[in-house]
Amino acid sequence: RKEVEQDPGPFNVPEGATVAFNCTYSNSASQSFFWYRQDCRKEPKLLMSVYSSGNEDGRFTAQLNRASQYISLLIRDSKLSDSATYLCVVAVRTGGFKTIFGAGTRLFVKA
Amino acid sequence: NAGVMQNPRHLVRRRGQEARLRCSPMKGHSHVYWYRQLPEEGLKFMVYLQKENIIDESGMPKERFSAEFPKEGPSILRIQQVVRGDSAAYFCASRDPPMETQYFGPGTRLLVL
Repeated sequence: RKEVEQDPGPFNVPEGATVAFNCTYSNSASQSFFWYRQDCRKEPKLLMSVYSSGNEDGRFTAQLNRASQYISLLIRDSKLSDSATYLCVVAVRTGGFKTIFGAGTRLFVKA
Repeated sequence: NAGVMQNPRHLVRRRGQEARLRCSPMKGHSHVYWYRQLPEEGLKFMVYLQKENIIDESGMPKERFSAEFPKEGPSILRIQQVVRGDSAAYFCASRDPPMETQYFGPGTRLLVL
């Protein structure tokens, strides 16, 4: 089993749609959680951190369920510019601060 | 405030040659991570370094790969005797503890002929 698993993609949605990505992690000692975005042939960029209380940033909402070891990202009112690969990231403190990236879910938003 | 810098951006090597990839972290960041990304695949953790210290190298291949982050200068990922399977994008990220966010450089794309 992979340490961080994400929905298989790609997701093809029309502009204005709402889309949800799911992610599960296997290490119950995981302490920090993030969503990153990666455009084609570019570096990953932080989209948002994920907190137990849930957090929202404009059209993006992230949720964390520690009991189920599950993270989600909701994108409302999708824009063409949201087309990218979304990476679920989990961090564990084991003498340092090790981060594990999911394989990513590709999103295509079409006009 | 310059971001994470990596050079070269593209590197072509023939099988058996050495590849040296450089990463300058963001100003004030003392922790550096190296990742490898194969085409159409996710990021794979390689190594985590602090200045003059390797914190976690559990993702590094046992042979041919080494990394350092000296007191002065950039972090270096060195690949000796490259093979075609080493062709990938290599990303560096830096962090300023106790902050948890990693900031990525633009990557070095290595092509082994």
